[in-house]
Amino acid sequence: QSALTQPRSVSGSPGQSVTISCTGTSSDVGRYNYVSWYQHYPGKAPKLIIYDVTKRPSGVPDRFSGSKSGNTASLTISGLQAEDEADYSCYSYAGSYTFYVFGTGTKVTVL
Amino acid sequence: QVQLQESGPGLVKPSETLSLTCSVSGGSINNYYGSWIRQPPGKGLEWIGYIYYTGSTNYNPSLKGRVTLSVDTSRNQFSLRLNSVSAADTAVYYCARAFSPERLENWGQGSLVTVSS
Repeated sequence: QSALTQPRSVSGSPGQSVTISCTGTSSDVGRYNYVSWYQHYPGKAPKLIIYDVTKRPSGVPDRFSGSKSGNTASLTISGLQAEDEADYSCYSYAGSYTFYVFGTGTKVTVL
Repeated sequence: QVQLQESGPGLVKPSETLSLTCSVSGGSINNYYGSWIRQPPGKGLEWIGYIYYTGSTNYNPSLKGRVTLSVDTSRNQFSLRLNSVSAADTAVYYCARAFSPERLENWGQGSLVTVSS
């Protein structure tokens, strides 16, 4: 089972919006609404920021939003802030054989 | 606040067994799943498997046969064993607690394990 495909890096200026794509197949992202997104800083514990494609856990700013179209899920960060500079990974259920697969990871840089 | 901490040897010899424990504080593991994830240097995250507090497990097919997860509810811990390791198993290993394995709600900071003689 291959990893979900994410761009290696995206960048934006403070206040701008950036979108990270997460492309899978009809066996994972396209079939199930179980895509989640994680923010992680080097040396720190990753943090859940989106689950079930669009839902935000309590305490996560509404600047973070998720969506899905076909086999591609997306994370959008609106009103980019300096503290958003981190790595972001998507994660999807992939059925009862493969179970779960992560994305390749995206580095967000705030210019 | 729930905290998870991975512990175990940072260096393992090739062909030997990697063992890590995840200790959970500030919350119970009862009714939760314990998942293990790893990140090789310069690469993305990889799901290893999960164990429910009852002991039921599911594993990444690419690792099946080498990995065993266990749980100790009395100690609020769950553990990972990966046998016959090679340099390809060098990674930061994370544990995570989840009410549902589709969303990994609480993570440890990770433990770097290097496989080298």
